[in-house]
Amino acid sequence: DAEITQSPRHKITETGRQVTLACHQTWNHNNMFWYRQDLGHGLRLIHYSYGVQDTNKGEVSDGYSVSRSNTEDLPLTLESAASSQTSVYFCASSEVGRPTEAFFGQGTRLTVV
Amino acid sequence: KNEVEQSPQNLTAQEGEFITINCSYSVGISALHWLQQHPGGGIVSLFMLSSGKKKHGRLIATINIQEKHSSLHITASHPRDSAVYICADGNYGGSQGNLIFGKGTKLSVKP
Repeated sequence: DAEITQSPRHKITETGRQVTLACHQTWNHNNMFWYRQDLGHGLRLIHYSYGVQDTNKGEVSDGYSVSRSNTEDLPLTLESAASSQTSVYFCASSEVGRPTEAFFGQGTRLTVV
Repeated sequence: KNEVEQSPQNLTAQEGEFITINCSYSVGISALHWLQQHPGGGIVSLFMLSSGKKKHGRLIATINIQEKHSSLHITASHPRDSAVYICADGNYGGSQGNLIFGKGTKLSVKP
């Protein structure tokens, strides 16, 4: 069965370190998204991609970057981790061009100490 | 700015009760999504609808396009329904495929 997987599921890192969260989907979807989920804010968009070599900033993109070198993967990099980036991160994917169901990964809980 | 508002924020029910969660959005949609998130778990899509009503088991989702309002109903609630329910506006006119989320409704069903 097709799926979308995130790794790691849990990570603790120190302030100032670079961290990369992986997202891999086997749906062959062109659209991929990274969200963060925080109490009181719900899910907010960090970055998104509509296809290979395409990346776009979302609502809360400062301090994050993504790259899309193939259809399956959209890794999220925290350039220099800050305590404010402690959160639960979700990756999602969907088909192009029509209202369609979004598929979410299981989430990555990141703690920056 | 497109906003999605959910009510209530928290809901406690006894097993067997009929439950309603409401969602209002401010901008015209292509589709309205209802999602479920169990504690510590991932997010699962329950419904995607752009008009009328959809039913899956004990869950029913309705939408009123003119009033920009959707409801999620759970009949004969069960403790396993305890989760956070999130509605999201799929505004395909703007960012293709991007979802604008409500803050969620935390449901707790007591046995």
